[in-house]
Amino acid sequence: SQQGEEDPQALSIQEGENATMNCSYKTSINNLQWYRQNSGRGLVHLILIRSNEREKHSGRLRVTLDTSKKSSSLLITASRAADTASYFCATDAGGTSYGKLTFGQGTILTVHP
Amino acid sequence: EAQVTQNPRYLITVTGKKLTVTCSQNMNHEYMSWYRQDPGLGLRQIYYSMNVEVTDKGDVPEGYKVSRKEKRNFPLILESPSPNQTSLYFCASSLIGTGYTDTQYFGPGTRLTVL
Repeated sequence: SQQGEEDPQALSIQEGENATMNCSYKTSINNLQWYRQNSGRGLVHLILIRSNEREKHSGRLRVTLDTSKKSSSLLITASRAADTASYFCATDAGGTSYGKLTFGQGTILTVHP
Repeated sequence: EAQVTQNPRYLITVTGKKLTVTCSQNMNHEYMSWYRQDPGLGLRQIYYSMNVEVTDKGDVPEGYKVSRKEKRNFPLILESPSPNQTSLYFCASSLIGTGYTDTQYFGPGTRLTVL
């Protein structure tokens, strides 16, 4: 399986609810990044969290990183219909894999108005 | 405006006909990379470049070539395209730090169909 794997594969919620997506990875990392993709379009960067950080916030987004469990979570609070998109995590292993980025398969989030 | 541009955006071609997808960034980024996106497989890295004249294979380099003669450009070359290279392709660029890549800026994508 891939280095970054998101869970769940699909998530359907109502506007105003919180959405939580998880990402697991296998090897040690230098940083982990979260991206959003609206249907068939380019990816947009959301948050980058470094291996020595445990939590990061950006507006309604909160990302946590647990390097002991090799996992990260993305929380979107008070979701809006405009948050409907696919969300991907990407890991940068650094070291001898410096420059190789591995993306997960993504979580498809649908927010119903 | 800071951006990554790709051309063409859409391309339909036939098996074996050489093609090039261009990628250009105006942010003076050292790092550039190509990905392909297929349903159910997420994004997979094809090639990446840490700087001019430095390129390395990603996870799925077979059937592709790249070159990095200038910092701003990173073309993707398919010498003899085959139907299994039908996909959505993304170019991205970023700054690099000591031992890590930074936030990736993505182009709008190129949808390639090989008949």
